[in-house]
Amino acid sequence: GAVVSQHPSWVICKSGTSVKIECRSLDFQATTMFWYRQFPKQSLMLMATSNEGSKATYEQGVEKDKFLINHASLTLSTLTVTSAHPEDSSFYICSARQAAGNTIYFGEGSWLTVV
Amino acid sequence: AQSVTQLGSHVSVSEGALVLLRCNYSSSVPPYLFWYVQYPNQGLQLLLKYTSAATLVKGINGFEAEFKKSETSFHLTKPSAHMSDAAEYFCAVSHEAGGTSYGKLTFGQGTILTVHP
Repeated sequence: GAVVSQHPSWVICKSGTSVKIECRSLDFQATTMFWYRQFPKQSLMLMATSNEGSKATYEQGVEKDKFLINHASLTLSTLTVTSAHPEDSSFYICSARQAAGNTIYFGEGSWLTVV
Repeated sequence: AQSVTQLGSHVSVSEGALVLLRCNYSSSVPPYLFWYVQYPNQGLQLLLKYTSAATLVKGINGFEAEFKKSETSFHLTKPSAHMSDAAEYFCAVSHEAGGTSYGKLTFGQGTILTVHP
């Protein structure tokens, strides 16, 4: 079946540095991908919608200059957390919408720890 | 705007007992509804989804959910719990049913299911 892969699964970075998380649809084209964030013991919150070849659409309260999203191809979207701070430590998970059939697949998620 | 409320952040059942996880939604348009399961330190796995076809939806691992428009509910059930069902379960609603923003999900708070031997 369709698979969405995220990389890295775990990342630790120093405060003030930037970190990039990749979301790939492995066997289908995804014109739209979504990025969510999940803080410990909380639910998933949509951060932004990533559309191939255009700017991402951010949800209210999400800083677009801090969370850079690039969707350069039909199979890859990247989330870059710039100037990371400890409060950005969270579980980031992406989903991809398969163009045919409107099916949504989630990646495995990426744990970010900022120290 | 759409919202999802999951009643009960923790549910505990005995192995072999009925599992009932409650979900109520609010939506101004016909909703698409989903149940996902999340095992510790893992991503989300789709259990089942309602997309305006049959109101009783059967999913994987013996789970099913019934869409009740009059009650704005989409409760998840399983007749007999297994130890392997212990996980966190999320109910979600799609922002737009079949529209260009289909896939933008609003999640409930999650319910942690514990299964006792």
